[in-house]
Amino acid sequence: KAGVTQTPRYLIKTRGQQVTLSCSPISGHRSVSWYQQTPGQGLQFLFEYFSETQRNKGNFPGRFSGRQFSNSRSEMNVSTLELGDSALYLCASSLGQHTGELFFGEGSRLTVL
Amino acid sequence: KNEVEQSPQNLTAQEGEFITINCSYSVGISALHWLQQHPGGGIVSLFMLSSGKKKHGRLIATINIQEKHSSLHITASHPRDSAVYICAVPNYGGSQGNLIFGKGTKLSVKP
Repeated sequence: KAGVTQTPRYLIKTRGQQVTLSCSPISGHRSVSWYQQTPGQGLQFLFEYFSETQRNKGNFPGRFSGRQFSNSRSEMNVSTLELGDSALYLCASSLGQHTGELFFGEGSRLTVL
Repeated sequence: KNEVEQSPQNLTAQEGEFITINCSYSVGISALHWLQQHPGGGIVSLFMLSSGKKKHGRLIATINIQEKHSSLHITASHPRDSAVYICAVPNYGGSQGNLIFGKGTKLSVKP
């Protein structure tokens, strides 16, 4: 059974650009959540999607957005990139909303120059 | 809003030692996660527990809902256990969704 797949794994952007990250959950999993990890702030929750609807949102500015498609794949977008957005972005999938173990992808490492 | 405290922040052990990592939180929850992160970033979920105790191989996790406290134990530690261990709980209590994470415990097991 394939695990959670995140693409791209590494990317470099410059300030002001935008970026889109993709997450394909484990087959049959309907919930996808996104997290940002930085050395200073640690792991922080970004948002959670279930059945194409955002169910929870963390304390991040509106530049951070996401969506989930009918096949449960999810994308997150960061617009007008800032240096502080450099981080490891992780997604995790689970069977249902608010239930079950989380399965994490390897992450997308974003560097903003 | 929940607050999570993990201890210790850093832990060095000799191979074979018994390890305990602690996690305390402030708002009642229905489930707590223990995660393992190796250098390079990948995170593996070790346990999701809502009461009592769970065991996977040499790993044991316990939770005391009344005390708002959980522990992760590693028996007969091995150098391959070297990683960062992170606990996570729902930020506003109750069920999963908006998780808040501890700062992690960096474990180094020496041969």
